Amino acid sequence: GAVVSQHPSRVICKSGTSVKIECRSLDFQATTMFWYRQFPKQSLMLMATSNEGSKATYEQGVEKDKFLINHASLTLSTLTVTSAHPEDSSFYICSALRTATSYGYTFGSGTRLTVV
Amino acid sequence: GENVEQHPSTLSVQEGDSAVIKCTYSDSASNYFPWYKQELGKRPQLIIDIRSNVGEKKDQRIAVTLNKTAKHFSLHITETQPEDSAVYFCAASIGNQGGKLIFGQGTELSVKP
Repeated sequence: GAVVSQHPSRVICKSGTSVKIECRSLDFQATTMFWYRQFPKQSLMLMATSNEGSKATYEQGVEKDKFLINHASLTLSTLTVTSAHPEDSSFYICSALRTATSYGYTFGSGTRLTVV
Repeated sequence: GENVEQHPSTLSVQEGDSAVIKCTYSDSASNYFPWYKQELGKRPQLIIDIRSNVGEKKDQRIAVTLNKTAKHFSLHITETQPEDSAVYFCAASIGNQGGKLIFGQGTELSVKP
């Protein structure tokens, strides 16, 4: 079946540093990647949508200069949290939409980010 | 934009009873409605989905119903088991083969033995 590999699974970083999260589709091409953030006991909140080779579209209230998204190929998308602060601590998860497959959403395993 | 409301936020049932979770969506153009089960710290797992051209779909103990006119869809779990305990999310999407998925707030289901 379709697999999205997300790394790292857990990361602890110091306040003010940047963290890169990577999502890679292992056995399929992903035209679109969705990035979500989930705080404890809350829902998955869509942060942005990226399409291969074009700029990401950010949801209202999400700072595009803070959350940098790159979708350089059909198998790799990255989210970089720049100048991280404790309030950025959350569970980040990607979801890849498979090319030419109706509603083929495949989720990564998520990244637990803790900013200290 | 699309908004999805989900109720209840918590649900406790006895083993063997049925559980029903309800969602409403705001955008009448939504055409795909999946349900996910999420365990703590894990990725959401698709348990059943329905498209807008279908009113009901069933898979063993799980069923989903869709009322397009009222913009409601519901998850029904029958003969609940303790292993059904988890957080369940509904979602809605617009787009021919998939647009952005907007999630409901989630329902924490507890099945007591």
